[in-house]
Amino acid sequence: DGGITQSPKYLFRKEGQNVTLSCEQNLNHDAMYWYRQDPGQGLRLIYYSQIVNDFQKGDIAEGYSVSREKKESFPLTVTSAQKNPTAFYLCASSMWGSTDTQYFGPGTRLTVL
Amino acid sequence: GENVEQHPSTLSVQEGDSAVIKCTYSDSASNYFPWYKQELGKGPQLIIDIRSNVGEKKDQRIAVTLNKTAKHFSLHITETQPEDSAVYFCAASGYQFYFGTGTSLTVIP
Repeated sequence: DGGITQSPKYLFRKEGQNVTLSCEQNLNHDAMYWYRQDPGQGLRLIYYSQIVNDFQKGDIAEGYSVSREKKESFPLTVTSAQKNPTAFYLCASSMWGSTDTQYFGPGTRLTVL
Repeated sequence: GENVEQHPSTLSVQEGDSAVIKCTYSDSASNYFPWYKQELGKGPQLIIDIRSNVGEKKDQRIAVTLNKTAKHFSLHITETQPEDSAVYFCAASGYQFYFGTGTSLTVIP
């Protein structure tokens, strides 16, 4: 089956720790995205990548980092600098650029203890 | 940047009735308008989309209309069913996707 997978589904972190969220796609899409979703709010863009080894900051990149070493993978690290990391994180991909349809993974719920 | 407003934030309808969700956008450069359905604890799923060169698009019980002049677009769901209950997001895209804040739809059996 083609699609986007995210792991883990639930993640718990102690304050001061960095954690990495996994996102993999086998759709052969060039572009990948990370969004944060908080209750009562829309999706806010953290980072996006349109090609391997290149990525750009979105609207709320502070406290996050990414890498894009392979076309299929776009991991997100939530660093200790992110002051309020508890949220639902969604990864998405699209065939090419930002005006193409984005397809979402199932999400990772991160809770800081 | 773009600003997408979505209304209403919550909507309850009786099974079989129609539901309408409206979005407005600010950037005239936006040219792609998808709608997503998100069930609890899951990722959003694309249900229908429209591009700026089209005024209306239908897919069975769902339809989307676009008024470029007024910068608004709407999702219409007819003959609603309990399984339509979910949160619906609109988005507008030119150089980047911008999402509305979501509408929680409840279909009452």
